[in-house]
Amino acid sequence: QKEVEQDPGPLSVPEGAIVSLNCTYSNSAFQYFMWYRQYSRKGPELLMYTYSSGNKEDGRFTAQVDKSSKYISLFIRDSQPSDSATYLCAIISGNTGKLIFGQGTTLQVKP
Amino acid sequence: DAGVIQSPRHEVTEMGQEVTLRCKPISGHNSLFWYRQTMMRGLELLIYFNNNVPIDDSGMPEDRFSAKMPNASFSTLKIQPSEPRDSAVYFCASTPQGSGNTIYFGEGSWLTVV
Repeated sequence: QKEVEQDPGPLSVPEGAIVSLNCTYSNSAFQYFMWYRQYSRKGPELLMYTYSSGNKEDGRFTAQVDKSSKYISLFIRDSQPSDSATYLCAIISGNTGKLIFGQGTTLQVKP
Repeated sequence: DAGVIQSPRHEVTEMGQEVTLRCKPISGHNSLFWYRQTMMRGLELLIYFNNNVPIDDSGMPEDRFSAKMPNASFSTLKIQPSEPRDSAVYFCASTPQGSGNTIYFGEGSWLTVV
């Protein structure tokens, strides 16, 4: 079993839709949770970062962590074509400090 | 800020040849990471350095892979001999903190081994 599981998609939605991206993880020692966005032929860039259960909002983006279920989500409201990218969840192990990525979900927002 | 700088951006080489990928981390960052990305396996951590010292190289796939960080501003990832299955995008990343919670990626080195 992979330490971090993420459905690779692809996911295609119309402009303006609410997008839900999800990951599950296996190790309860994981402490820090992040979402990265990667545009085609570019390196990943940090989108959001949290370390506690609950919601964190930043503009149209909301990151949600449920440590009891080992489940993390990213919601995108009013999705735009410019949101088309691959979204990777990433988790840091509190024990090792290693950053472990999910497979990434490819999102396409159609105008 | 120039960001993490990687070279070459693209490399096509023949099987059996030596490949050297280079990385200049962001000035002041004391942790450096090498990742490999493929469609099948996603982003995999190969090795990371803290203050120029390799901390965890458990992700290095084989002895054909080696990485060095001779000083705080330069690192190399070498593959010798290269094989077609090494074809991937290799990312270098750096962070100012050892935990890696704010990690900055370069634009990647796209390697094709034929």
